[in-house]
Amino acid sequence: EADIYQTPRYLVIGTGKKITLECSQTMGHDKMYWYQQDPGMELHLIHYSYGVNSTEKGDLSSESTVSRIRTEHFPLTLESARPSHTSQYLCASSEEGTAETQYFGPGTRLLVL
Amino acid sequence: AQSVTQLGSHVSVSEGALVLLRCNYSSSVPPYLFWYVQYPNQGLQLLLKYTSAATLVKGINGFEAEFKKSETSFHLTKPSAHMSDAAEYFCAVSAGGYQKVTFGTGTKLQVIP
Repeated sequence: EADIYQTPRYLVIGTGKKITLECSQTMGHDKMYWYQQDPGMELHLIHYSYGVNSTEKGDLSSESTVSRIRTEHFPLTLESARPSHTSQYLCASSEEGTAETQYFGPGTRLLVL
Repeated sequence: AQSVTQLGSHVSVSEGALVLLRCNYSSSVPPYLFWYVQYPNQGLQLLLKYTSAATLVKGINGFEAEFKKSETSFHLTKPSAHMSDAAEYFCAVSAGGYQKVTFGTGTKLQVIP
């Protein structure tokens, strides 16, 4: 079944730790995205990729980095987590085309102490 | 530049009553418009989208939305609310192609039995 997966679903870590949020999709989509979601606020695009070896920063400044070595995999890394990174992170993918639908993973809820 | 404004961060309706969630957009080019739904602890899922064909768009779960250019609106409606409709709803706009999608701040729908 074609789907998009995110792990872990929940993560509690201490300040200064390095973390990687995993995102994988089985739909063969070239376009992938990372959003940050906080209550009462719009989704903020923090990274996106239009294919293998393509990564771009989004509208919201983020201290995270991403990589796209394989089509299906788009991990997000925080080298040194801080309390300000506490948020929900949503991964999404979409196919090529105009007005394409974005397919979202279930999200990773991150709490940095 | 593009943006969406969702009027009302929380909307409550009785079961069986009309659901109306408001969305106004701003776009410098003819827009593509979307409604997504997010159930608790899940990612966003597409309800419907407007791609410049019919102005009245029907989506899943009995929802529909009407594109009104003169009012720059794309309100979401459902004739009769069901308990399972309780969720958060996001309106979004895009210029299409490689242009990014801009999401609204969301409206939480509560359905009262």
